[in-house]
Amino acid sequence: DAKTTQPNSMESNEEEPVHLPCNHSTISGTDYIHWYRQLPSQGPEYVIHGLTSNVNNRMASLAIAEDRKSSTLILHRATLRDAAVYYCILRDVGGSGNTPLVFGKGTRLSVIA
Amino acid sequence: DGGITQSPKYLFRKEGQNVTLSCEQNLNHDAMYWYRQDPGQGLRLIYYSQIVNDFQKGDIAEGYSVSREKKESFPLTVTSAQKNPTAFYLCASSIVYPRRDTEAFFGQGTRLTVV
Repeated sequence: DAKTTQPNSMESNEEEPVHLPCNHSTISGTDYIHWYRQLPSQGPEYVIHGLTSNVNNRMASLAIAEDRKSSTLILHRATLRDAAVYYCILRDVGGSGNTPLVFGKGTRLSVIA
Repeated sequence: DGGITQSPKYLFRKEGQNVTLSCEQNLNHDAMYWYRQDPGQGLRLIYYSQIVNDFQKGDIAEGYSVSREKKESFPLTVTSAQKNPTAFYLCASSIVYPRRDTEAFFGQGTRLTVV
């Protein structure tokens, strides 16, 4: 899988929007952009994923640059429960089978009350 | 409810002993995965399986073994050959067909401590 680059940590105030950036300059045409988050002492949970168009779901929005070399996960109103490590992952679906997720170190988001 | 169950949540073993971590899913997923996480680090892939009776090594397979005799189950054995087995172990599963871009589901993990 192609690699991604994320800031090590970010901080946000409660009730404010949070924009978590991810760079993936070597992304290929068959790479989907996935975001997962991991709360302390828990397994990761899926947040959102997309290919080319911006995506919205109940948890977050994903904004994908036109050249697909970067993306931004948007939490519209941060709560204390959003404090977690957020992972941006590229997943190749071009070959056969199902490519395992390859995790980097992610971005540790702190939310201040 | 559908999901992935890992047991036990905490496990203590003496050095030199083999130990098997359980992972069961009732999501009817074809693919299952095992990851290891050390403090402050991301997840690293140990083994994965896309179909019953078949599995592939991940990045850090040495000292570990797996089996996939049933679709629902993917147990991981940490052998005495694993030099630093103390870690947080996570199991996951995902659909393979007909769509490969879908999300993976993770268990709550097993924290293994070897003393």
